[in-house]
Amino acid sequence: EVQLVQSGAEVKKPGESLKISCKAYGYSFTTYWIGWVRQMPGKGLELMGVIYPGDSDTRYSPSFRGQVTISADKSISTAFLQWSSLKASDTAMYYCARRASSREYFESLGQGTLVTVSS
Amino acid sequence: DIVLTQSPATLSLSPGERATLSCGASRDVSSSYLAWYQQKPGLAPRLLIYDASTRATGTPDRFTGSGSGTDFTLTISRLEPEDFAVYYCQQYVSSPITFGQGTRLEIK
Repeated sequence: EVQLVQSGAEVKKPGESLKISCKAYGYSFTTYWIGWVRQMPGKGLELMGVIYPGDSDTRYSPSFRGQVTISADKSISTAFLQWSSLKASDTAMYYCARRASSREYFESLGQGTLVTVSS
Repeated sequence: DIVLTQSPATLSLSPGERATLSCGASRDVSSSYLAWYQQKPGLAPRLLIYDASTRATGTPDRFTGSGSGTDFTLTISRLEPEDFAVYYCQQYVSSPITFGQGTRLEIK
């Protein structure tokens, strides 16, 4: 069974850095693209970017390029999303999601990581 | 970017009724590269339909996706209590991948 298990909720101050994780179980981690999806409070879904863990090929949606860094460590079947300097507007739920093998929809999502940025 | 507009924003119906949710695209979504997701409160979205009309594993057959080009529909033939949730469409024909703003299906 495919499972994506995300790290726990975080509370941070503006300007702090953060790295959240998504560990994959039940499939070959290196052969499926993994994406990160943002959901701001009470809002819809936004794709931030995707990574192919097999070769770390990473693609960012234009709105998120330069704002976050997506990475993966295939030795531990884990993808990461990180910020170098958080803003209050980064407060949101973040989901990792496994893309289908031949199409760019998301077959399976993690449980979500709530990030709260507040002074 | 392809903008997806979902309507209505909120749909109020009773269990047993038929629900029709719409997703309109600002440009042609060729090859019907459109998916539908269901999100219940406090939970992650779940894939329901892909390629406009193919049910994902575990999707009940009361859910039907249809449409092509710029107009797509998700129909729930007979609402069950567990179907009341928010539904999102997503296009994957061109980058950036985009989602609609969602339709909230609430109990009347």
